[in-house]
Amino acid sequence: GDSVTQMEGPVTLSEEAFLTINCTYTATGYPSLFWYVQYPGEGLQLLLKATKADDKGSNKGFEATYRKETTSFHLEKGSVQVSDSAVYFCALSDYKLSFGAGTTVTVRA
Amino acid sequence: EAQVTQNPRYLITVTGKKLTVTCSQNMNHEYMSWYRQDPGLGLRQIYYSMNVEVTDKGDVPEGYKVSRKEKRNFPLILESPSPNQTSLYFCASRAGGEVTEAFFGQGTRLTVV
Repeated sequence: GDSVTQMEGPVTLSEEAFLTINCTYTATGYPSLFWYVQYPGEGLQLLLKATKADDKGSNKGFEATYRKETTSFHLEKGSVQVSDSAVYFCALSDYKLSFGAGTTVTVRA
Repeated sequence: EAQVTQNPRYLITVTGKKLTVTCSQNMNHEYMSWYRQDPGLGLRQIYYSMNVEVTDKGDVPEGYKVSRKEKRNFPLILESPSPNQTSLYFCASRAGGEVTEAFFGQGTRLTVV
């Protein structure tokens, strides 16, 4: 079945550092891809999405590009802030939404 | 305000005592799902529903039941909870179609002793 594999954490960074979280997927069709973020004590919320190959999703300084040739959807941010500390989930959707294991990111001042 | 509401937020119960976690959404979404979140395992789908009276098993359905009698509600039932069901549970809803955003509830922290 369809599945998502994302980089294991935890990841600890200093403010203004560059963040990359790797995500690769396995799917039989052409799914949509998502990044969700979970702040402490909250539910998940959509960060960005891409619906077809070469699409770039972006939001709050985060970006991810749907790469069909490498089946990847890596999340990047050029300069992180303390407020970006959260758990990040990569997900794919055909008729069902499947999540990766999540990557905990801690940003230190 | 568009939202998914779960209750209770926290629950401690004893092995074998039936419980229900409620979930309600106000967005008229067709799809609703239940997930459990465990350290190192991410979110695993328990059950999902594609519309009223249509439910199906997710990846980890054992020990759980659901029902979808109305479009807005999707309760999760644990008939005989066991300690391995101690987890953080999330309800989610989304409109039909694969590109639509899922909206999540705040979560229910369940402890079974």
